[in-house]
This record gives sequence, C-alpha cells and structure tokens, in this order.
Amino acid sequence: EPEVTQTPSHQVTQMGQEVILRCVPISNHLYFYWYRQILGQKVEFLVSFYNNEISEKSEIFDDQFSVERPDGSNFTLKIRSTKLEDSAMYFCASSDQDNQPQHFGDGTRLSIL
Amino acid sequence: GQSLEQPSEVTAVEGAIVQINCTYQTSGFYGLSWYQQHDGGAPTFLSYNALDGLEETGRFSSFLSRSDSYGYLLLQELQMKDSASYFCAVSPNTDKLIFGTGTRLQVFP
Repeated sequence: EPEVTQTPSHQVTQMGQEVILRCVPISNHLYFYWYRQILGQKVEFLVSFYNNEISEKSEIFDDQFSVERPDGSNFTLKIRSTKLEDSAMYFCASSDQDNQPQHFGDGTRLSIL
Repeated sequence: GQSLEQPSEVTAVEGAIVQINCTYQTSGFYGLSWYQQHDGGAPTFLSYNALDGLEETGRFSSFLSRSDSYGYLLLQELQMKDSASYFCAVSPNTDKLIFGTGTRLQVFP
C-alpha cells in the first residue's frame, strides 16, 4: 500500500538554527499538509498546500515557517530560526482530493536544544 | 472558536465493545473523521462520516448526527492491539482537519 514517507525520523537542532523537514507524499496525491503534535497533546494543523500554493495556514504557521514543493515528489517544511517551543512531532499528510481522507507519514521528531 | 470534546480514557477487556464519543463545535462542517494513533506512531485513518448515520468498516463503525454535533466510534470484538489513542477530527472546510484531544483506549486480557 502506498505511504507517505518522512525524513529524518529524528532531528536534533540548536535553538536559532534553520531546519528542513522532508516529506514524499503518495504519488498520485495532489493535496499536502503539515501538522504538529507536542508530546502528550493533540495533533494541530499547520498548513495545507495545493497547486503550488498555500491553501490555508494556522496561527502557528508564522513567518518563521515556509513550505515548498521543490520537485514532483518532495514537500518540505522549513523553520527558519527554531525556538525551544518548536520541539514536537511533525507529520506530513496527503490526500488525492480535497475533503478526502488524509494519509499521514510516520513523522519527524524535532528536538530543539 | 473551534472545539472537539472526547473522553480522555476508556478501558475495556478483550472481546468487548467500546464506544468513544465526540462532540464538536466548529465554524464549518464538511465531515467527521476518526484516526488511531499508537504511541510514537502516525495517525492512521479509520473512518469518515459526511452524512448522518452509521458507517461500518470491519470491526469499526462510526456514527454521525450533524444536528447534535455528535459522533462516535464503535469498536467491536476488541483485541489487545486496539490499545491506542483515538482522535476524532472535523473538517471545518476542505483544507484542514481539526483534531480532538484524543481518547486513550486500554484493552485488558
């Protein structure tokens, strides 16, 4: 069964550094999403992306965050200057149509020191 | 604001039936989804209801009442591997999911 792939599985970064989280969505999917989950808390929406532009973003997704689809297969989340509170599990998801089930990757655990 | 309420924890024994309720208050509504998440794992899609009524997928069923802003996930013939967190999630529009706080299900032998 096709799946969403995320790399790395764990990223440790110094506060203030830039980090890029990578995702390969399911190949025929056109809608892409990033979510985060702080340890022990619920999953929170960050951003949705379709047709090479952001469809919607949450209040969490401030100017420090950006997303990009650099080629036909990858979808990245960049955090420009990381803060301690950015420590969380970041999940990428994709769907083949809007308002269809979103399929999640295994996540990247981001630890900011 | 937008909120989804679920019980924080449910316990049951193997072979039993358990129901996890979800009430929601959102600015828009396109559908209610259910996801399973094992510790340290990814949310895995279980079920989706856009219209009122019951959807059945194997041992799992999900119900929606839009007039009551209420849904539930029903798990039958519980197995040890069903021990996990279960999240309801509302699509307030077609661009995102808003997740509930999650229900931790513990299945005992």
